This record gives sequence, C-alpha cells and structure tokens, in this order.
Amino acid sequence: SQQGEEDPQALSIQEGENATMNCSYKTSINNLQWYRQNSGRGLVHLILIRSNEREKHSGRLRVTLDTSKKSSSLLITASRAADTASYFCATVSSNDYKLSFGAGTTVTVRA
Amino acid sequence: NAGVMQNPRHLVRRRGQEARLRCSPMKGHSHVYWYRQLPEEGLKFMVYLQKENIIDESGMPKERFSAEFPKEGPSILRIQQVVRGDSAAYFCASSPEQGSESPLHFGNGTRLTVT
Repeated sequence: SQQGEEDPQALSIQEGENATMNCSYKTSINNLQWYRQNSGRGLVHLILIRSNEREKHSGRLRVTLDTSKKSSSLLITASRAADTASYFCATVSSNDYKLSFGAGTTVTVRA
Repeated sequence: NAGVMQNPRHLVRRRGQEARLRCSPMKGHSHVYWYRQLPEEGLKFMVYLQKENIIDESGMPKERFSAEFPKEGPSILRIQQVVRGDSAAYFCASSPEQGSESPLHFGNGTRLTVT
C-alpha cells in the first residue's frame, strides 16, 4: 500500500518564487527521502532525512520532518524553469528496507 | 560511470504475448529493485533481487510475472501473456548495498504498451 501522500497534487509558480510541497505518511519510519522525476525519465534522489533529524538543507532545497505529525515538507527556493518536474516523497518503514512512494506533486515553474 | 541502463525504452506487445524488460545496474551495485508506475501515480514496489537471489517479491503478481538477476548479465523482468492492464512504465533501480539509507539510482524506465 502507498505510504506517503503528497499535497498538493499540482503546483504552478512563477520563476523566482518558492515552491512548498508536503508529504504525510502512516507508519514509523527510519528515514524519508525526496526524489525528482522529469517527464519521461527515471527518478533522481534529492535528499534524505533521518527520523531523528528535523531539518536538512541541500542547495536550494530545504526539507523538514515532523515525526509526531508523520509529515514532511520540501521547499524549493528561488525556483527555476529547470525545477519543473514531479516530486515524490518515499519512506522506509522502521521494520523494512524498501522504499514506498507517494503519488507525487507536479511542479510547473513558469518563465 | 554509466548509470542504470534499461532497455528497451518503449515496448509494444499484443495481448497474450510475452514482454521481457532488461536492467543493467550501476557498476558495483549488486542490489536491484523493480517498480511499476501507472500514469499520474507514484511507483509501486514489485521485486527486490540480489545476484542470483530473489529477496522480496511481495509486490509482484503471483501469476505471469517473474524476475531474475543472474550471476552474469542484466536483471530481467518477464511478463507472460500480457494484458492491457500491464501497460505501465517499469523502472529498475540499483544500490550498492541493502540498507534503509542507501539511495536508489533509477534507470529511465521501459514503457510497455499492450494493444
């Protein structure tokens, strides 16, 4: 069954604006990962946050994790047209090793 | 260092035919995962293999689907007697080790269309 649920399903923003998307999950996790998928391509790993971490940064990406609410957010700052893609959160449950993906948020950055 | 290579990129099969999807993991990676993606949906886990072993096939239908990862050569996902509902994008991913913190490296997928 699907573990993560992203919100919103789709997001359209102007270049230069920030994009925020959220992910909720159901079970206890070891870590949560975010991936990007460009149209017609495979997924690319962006960032991993462990269950004992609350916030992590990588370039223009900022990820937060709230294990009490079983939720995470991904913020892309100063968006660019090249950020247009679908973004997926994926979780690894505490008693498992394989990734479970949500349905994704499709982000469109308008030039 | 080549990434995960999947072929073919596109595969068209008539109902009842067999589909064979190939995946060569990244160099040095001995763990292979297969996922299926339907339009507008996330990826659904199918099977996890190490060289010559199926570790977890809990996401793969019991009938018509099989997977292997031989000692030599690519991993193969085989779908026998395909039906229209098998139409999807099939992604292979690899990692150097099992472990919850080992990010997956994905291929660009094989898009299967069953007519």
